[in-house]
Amino acid sequence: DAGVIQSPRHEVTEMGQEVTLRCKPISGHDYLFWYRQTMMRGLELLIYFNNNVPIDDSGMPEDRFSAKMPNASFSTLKIQPSEPRDSAVYFCASSFRPGAQGNTIYFGEGSWLTVV
Amino acid sequence: KQEVTQIPAALSVPEGENLVLNCSFTDSAIYNLQWFRQDPGKGLTSLLLIQSSQREQTSGRLNASLDKSSGRSTLYIAASQPGDSATYLCAVFADSWGKLQFGAGTQVVVTP
Repeated sequence: DAGVIQSPRHEVTEMGQEVTLRCKPISGHDYLFWYRQTMMRGLELLIYFNNNVPIDDSGMPEDRFSAKMPNASFSTLKIQPSEPRDSAVYFCASSFRPGAQGNTIYFGEGSWLTVV
Repeated sequence: KQEVTQIPAALSVPEGENLVLNCSFTDSAIYNLQWFRQDPGKGLTSLLLIQSSQREQTSGRLNASLDKSSGRSTLYIAASQPGDSATYLCAVFADSWGKLQFGAGTQVVVTP
């Protein structure tokens, strides 16, 4: 399997622009997670989906952030408008029945976002 | 709220020495615990997952223990190699859905 695939790997954008990050989870996985990593706050969960349905979006920092999962093989995280403090690494992760079932969560390589 | 702490924040050892990485959590009501490795500029690679009913897991040179009652997990890496240099993160499953709460990580350098 190719693993969790994220794009773009790196993006530099100007403040105020819209940013769209994309994720293809591992085939057959029913959970998808979006995390953000910064030096100051470490890894934080933004939102996660089960069977394409958002379960918990309490980690989404502001209304400028939105996430969708239109089908089992694709998800997007959008920031509009972007701000310099959004600069971070955004990770997508997927799993098949993690948590109580005890299955591993797999992470993508991350999307490195710089907002100038 | 669950808090996960990893001490030390950084560690440097000579090649061949055994590594001991510590992880503590405040709420013992966890589902599972997962150890990850992160190389600079890369994503997270899963190393070991310990289910809440288990006390340890082993994979090659890696062994992870879990003591829920004391809120601790320890990752042992035997006979360290320069290729083991990375940041090691532990994460607890904060709910039955798979929501992970991460520690800040321990940055390991193994010198030849």
